[in-house]
Amino acid sequence: DIQMTQSPSSLSASVGDRVTITCQASQVINNYLNWFQHKPGKAPKLLIYDASILEAGVSSRFSGSGSGTDFTFTISSLQPEDIATYYCQYYDSLLIFGGGTKVEIK
Amino acid sequence: EVQLVESGGGLVKPGGSLRLSCAASGLTLSEAWMSWVRQAPGKGLEWIGHIRSEADGGTTDYAAPVKGRFTISRDDSKNTLYLQMNSLKTEDTGVYYCMTGYWGQGTQVTVSS
Repeated sequence: DIQMTQSPSSLSASVGDRVTITCQASQVINNYLNWFQHKPGKAPKLLIYDASILEAGVSSRFSGSGSGTDFTFTISSLQPEDIATYYCQYYDSLLIFGGGTKVEIK
Repeated sequence: EVQLVESGGGLVKPGGSLRLSCAASGLTLSEAWMSWVRQAPGKGLEWIGHIRSEADGGTTDYAAPVKGRFTISRDDSKNTLYLQMNSLKTEDTGVYYCMTGYWGQGTQVTVSS
């Protein structure tokens, strides 16, 4: 079975900082990767699909890159409203989530 | 605008059953692969299973922890997705979401004696 290893599990950064989250697959998954934002009590929100394509209406400060087994999610300038847990998700015949990264403001 | 609204959660004893519903608007469920995902307290997101679109056969797949106990189905006339949960265990406690890129707000399921 494919495993998705997401790191770090949590981070604390200042407003305006560049934030990077990585997701590593245990085998090649091509670009079958989404990134979601999840705020407490809210529905998770799709930010990036197919590893690097920004979902319509999502702020351009969010971006994704990578292919094969290694993927990166970046917030170019952290804002207070970005406080959330972020998940990578592999999708094919099943869905596999990374463990999540809780992002906090320093 | 796509909206997914889950309902049917609640408190149930171990060994009991519960049926969750996910009513959709702005989206035709039969045309989408629909998944159920849960989040246990203090844990991350866990995929439970999905039902394929009608065009892809409408078949289902399940994660190992729920296989044989949970069943996903769809009522196209009501544009509603279901999750039938039987033989519930305490470890099934959590918030349950239906999703397909879009997500609902979730419904709480608590399995406790």
